[in-house]
Amino acid sequence: DAGVTQSPTHLIKTRGQHVTLRCSPISGHKSVSWYQQVLGQGPQFIFQYYEKEERGRGNFPDRFSARQFPNYSSELNVNALLLGDSALYLCASSPLAKETQYFGPGTRLLVL
Amino acid sequence: SQQGEEDPQALSIQEGENATMNCSYKTSINNLQWYRQNSGRGLVHLILIRSNEREKHSGRLRVTLDTSKKSSSLLITASRAADTASYFCATDFGSNDYKLSFGAGTTVTVRA
Repeated sequence: DAGVTQSPTHLIKTRGQHVTLRCSPISGHKSVSWYQQVLGQGPQFIFQYYEKEERGRGNFPDRFSARQFPNYSSELNVNALLLGDSALYLCASSPLAKETQYFGPGTRLLVL
Repeated sequence: SQQGEEDPQALSIQEGENATMNCSYKTSINNLQWYRQNSGRGLVHLILIRSNEREKHSGRLRVTLDTSKKSSSLLITASRAADTASYFCATDFGSNDYKLSFGAGTTVTVRA
């Protein structure tokens, strides 16, 4: 079975631009969560979506937004990029909202 | 802010030795999970222990949970070079919403 997939794998943007990251969950999983991992730190929770509704939000500014589509795939959007947004963005899926999460390989974003 | 904190930050052991790392957290939790991350890639789920459990085993892994001390430990027995990775504990402490909070991780190096 295919695991969680994310695209793109790497991305370079400049300050002020916006970016869209994509995630496809494991087949049958209805919950998708997004995390930001800055180098040398643990992942920080950004959002969780379950059945296309936001179920949790971390301590991130409104520049960060996400949505989940009817096929349970998800997009994470970040506007007005800052240098500090450079990080590995991880997507995780789970069958239900409060279950073990399975992570994708991540998208590495570099903001110059 | 990250609820979990791992200790030690880094650990170097000889192949065949045991590796023990600890995680402390601040608030009451629903469950605690341990993940492994190789070279800044996606996280691999290792084991989940619920708040009403005290010990759990999975292959060469042994996890304990002491809710009175708000701490958990992960023991890897008979370590192998392939165990070289960063290990993170993650706590689920949400009630209506869902937030998985990670610590900063323990970097384990297994020397051949």
